[in-house]
Order: sequence, then C-alpha cells, then structure tokens
Amino acid sequence: EPEVTQTPSHQVTQMGQEVILRCVPISNHLYFYWYRQILGQKVEFLVSFYNNEISEKSEIFDDQFSVERPDGSNFTLKIRSTKLEDSAMYFCASSDGLAGGPGETQYFGPGTRLLVL
Amino acid sequence: GESVGLHLPTLSVQEGDNSIINCAYSNSASDYFIWYKQESGKGPQFIIDIRSNMDKRQGQRVTVLLNKTVKHLSLQIAATQPGDSAVYFCAENSNEKLTFGTGTRLTIIP
Repeated sequence: EPEVTQTPSHQVTQMGQEVILRCVPISNHLYFYWYRQILGQKVEFLVSFYNNEISEKSEIFDDQFSVERPDGSNFTLKIRSTKLEDSAMYFCASSDGLAGGPGETQYFGPGTRLLVL
Repeated sequence: GESVGLHLPTLSVQEGDNSIINCAYSNSASDYFIWYKQESGKGPQFIIDIRSNMDKRQGQRVTVLLNKTVKHLSLQIAATQPGDSAVYFCAENSNEKLTFGTGTRLTIIP
C-alpha cells in the first residue's frame, strides 16, 4: 500500500540553526501539506501546497518557514532560524483531490520529531 | 474562532466491548469530517469519514454518526481489540486544511 514517508525521523538542532524536513508524498497525489503537533497537544495545520505554490497557510507559518517541491518526488519544509518553541512533531500529508471533491482524504507520514535546544 | 473538540480526554474499555468516542464542532458550515487514529510515535491514520449530507457511515467495525442539529459526531468501535488502543482525533476538512480536535486516548483493558 502506498504511503507517505518522512526523513529524518528525529532531528536535534541548536536554536537559530536552519533545518530542512523532508517528505516523499504518495506518488500520484497532487496536494501536499505540513502539520505540526507540539507534545501533548493537537495536530495543527501549517501549510498546503498545490501546483508548485502555497494555496493556504496558517498564522504559525510565518517568514521563518518555507516549503518547496524541488523535484517530482520530494516535498520539504524549511525552518530558517529555529526557536525553542519550534520543537514539535512535524507531519507531512498528501491527497489526490481538493477538499469537497473526490480523493480529498489526507494521508499522513510517520512524522519528524524536531527538538530545538 | 471556530473549533473542533472532543468530550473526554481518556476512555477505558474492556476488550470485546464497544466504545463510543464523541466530538463536537462549532462551525455550522462544516461539511466534511474525518476520524483519525494516532498510535504512539506515529502519524494520524485515516479511519473513516463522513459528509454533511449523511448522518451515518459504516466501515469495518467502525461507525461514524453525524448530528448536524447539535453539531456533534461520534465514532463507534465494535468489539474492541488491544490494537484499538490509541488516541482518536476528529477533524474537520475545509479549504484544503484539516482542523483537529484535542483527541481522546482510548485504552483497551485485556
């Protein structure tokens, strides 16, 4: 069964450093998403991406965050200058349809646990 | 603002019994809801979904009920098994983003 994969599974970084989290969405999917989950809290939407551009983003997704689809398979989330409060589990998701249409179910990867020291 | 939330943070059920997990939402315009299961250290796993033009949908051992009048949905798991132990989230899908509730941790007692 196709699945979303993410690397690395764990990342430890110093405050102020840049991190890049990587995702390989399900191969025929066209819509890509990043979510985060701070320990013990609910999953929060960060950004959605379609046709090589951001289609929706939350207040959390400020100028320190960026996303990119550098090739036909990878989807990345970059945090330019990490803060302590960026420590969280980051989930990538993908779907093959728009909300309200067929194939809109979002499938999640296993996550990257980011720890900022 | 609009929110999605669950009634109970934890629920313990004897193995073999049925469980019901509840969720309330505030946006009356919401029209698509999904239940996800999250096991420790893993990403949310899709269980079942329902659109607002339905009030019930069944899957394998799971049933989702939607009451639009009181803006409430529930997930029923029949004949629970140890592998059902996890955190369950309801989520609302609108404008390409999912808004998750706070989750209920379901523990199956052997």
